[in-house]
Amino acid sequence: KNQVEQSPQSLIILEGKNCTLQCNYTVSPFSNLRWYKQDTGRGPVSLTIMTFSENTKSNGRYTATLDADTKQSSLHITASQLSDSASYICVVSTQTGANNLFFGTGTRLTVIP
Amino acid sequence: KAGVTQTPRYLIKTRGQQVTLSCSPISGHRSVSWYQQTPGQGLQFLFEYFSETQRNKGNFPGRFSGRQFSNSRSEMNVSTLELGDSALYLCASSPQDKRAETQYFGPGTRLLVL
Repeated sequence: KNQVEQSPQSLIILEGKNCTLQCNYTVSPFSNLRWYKQDTGRGPVSLTIMTFSENTKSNGRYTATLDADTKQSSLHITASQLSDSASYICVVSTQTGANNLFFGTGTRLTVIP
Repeated sequence: KAGVTQTPRYLIKTRGQQVTLSCSPISGHRSVSWYQQTPGQGLQFLFEYFSETQRNKGNFPGRFSGRQFSNSRSEMNVSTLELGDSALYLCASSPQDKRAETQYFGPGTRLLVL
């Protein structure tokens, strides 16, 4: 069964600290993996997208890693800011099938001063 | 280039009523997908339209329907509303005909069913 699981469900960190969010998936065959940031009451915004051959992709203070062998991805946030408070959603797409996008339920990150 | 727009942004309805939500994709994008997002379930895929045709459909009851117009604008209709339909409804557009391409989400319509 194609699934995407994210951990932790929620996380509270101090401003300026680093954090890492996890995404494990069982989607097969794999096409790409994306991380989205969703501010409260807003639509998700794409942070990174990685294909099978990419194991690291950065977008400013956000760095995503992918291990296609273990089917794990992580999103590392460096020097967190209050504006990083949001939900982070991992989305994995498969190459086949009509419904080819699988969403994690997200990690709710709260950055406190 | 303007982003994906959705109207209305907020809506309050009562059980049994019906509702129509609208989505205007980014100019040039022909694929429009709809999602329901609730705190417990995360993002759930409703359906996808491309060139006025429904290409894919998620596991939602027939009360949920949609359509796409020749200018790629899309509408979603929910009939006989239930309390459980309260959610954030998101629309996403992409330039290609495959939903797996990068999607651009709108701000969503927050629906509250009383």
